[in-house]
Amino acid sequence: GAVVSQHPSRVICKSGTSVKIECRSLDFQATTMFWYRQFPKKSLMLMATSNEGSKATYEQGVEKDKFLINHASLTLSTLTVTSAHPEDSSFYICSARGAGLAGTNEQYFGPGTRLTVT
Amino acid sequence: AQSVTQPDIHITVSEGASLELRCNYSYGATPYLFWYVQSPGQGLQLLLKYFSGDTLVQGIKGFEAEFKRSQSSFNLRKPSVHWSDAAEYFCAVGMDTGRRALTFGSGTRLQVQP
Repeated sequence: GAVVSQHPSRVICKSGTSVKIECRSLDFQATTMFWYRQFPKKSLMLMATSNEGSKATYEQGVEKDKFLINHASLTLSTLTVTSAHPEDSSFYICSARGAGLAGTNEQYFGPGTRLTVT
Repeated sequence: AQSVTQPDIHITVSEGASLELRCNYSYGATPYLFWYVQSPGQGLQLLLKYFSGDTLVQGIKGFEAEFKRSQSSFNLRKPSVHWSDAAEYFCAVGMDTGRRALTFGSGTRLQVQP
């Protein structure tokens, strides 16, 4: 089956620093990747949609300059949280949708990255 | 815009008892419907999905769900719950085009009593 990985699984950073989270599709090409954020005991909220080779589309209320998304290849998308603050602490989950799966709306989710900003 | 409602925030059942988790959606066309399970600190695991055809779908771990268009529902069921089923369950809906992200319900936390 299709596998999506995220790295790191857990990261602690100091306030004001930046942290990069990687999302990789391991055995398929992902034309579209989605980044979600999950607050404790809450549902997943879509942050942005990332299409390979083009700029990400951000959801309303998500700061594009703070959450930089790059989808440089068909197997890798990165989310960089810039100038992190404690309120950015959250669980970030990516999902990937394959080129061969177009029309089925099937997404494969990564295991998530726990970000803690101190 | 589509939306998903999971009316039960928290459910507790005894091990061996049956389970039904409710999910209602709002969407103008035929939706793609999903149930995911999330254990603490983990990512999402797909339990089952409905795209078309038979409205009763079977999933992994003994779960099933039934799509009822007239009620805009997609409830998840399991005849006999195991202690390992304790987790957070999310219902999600996708659009026909398949190009947009999923919209998730707020989740139902399942506790299983011995």
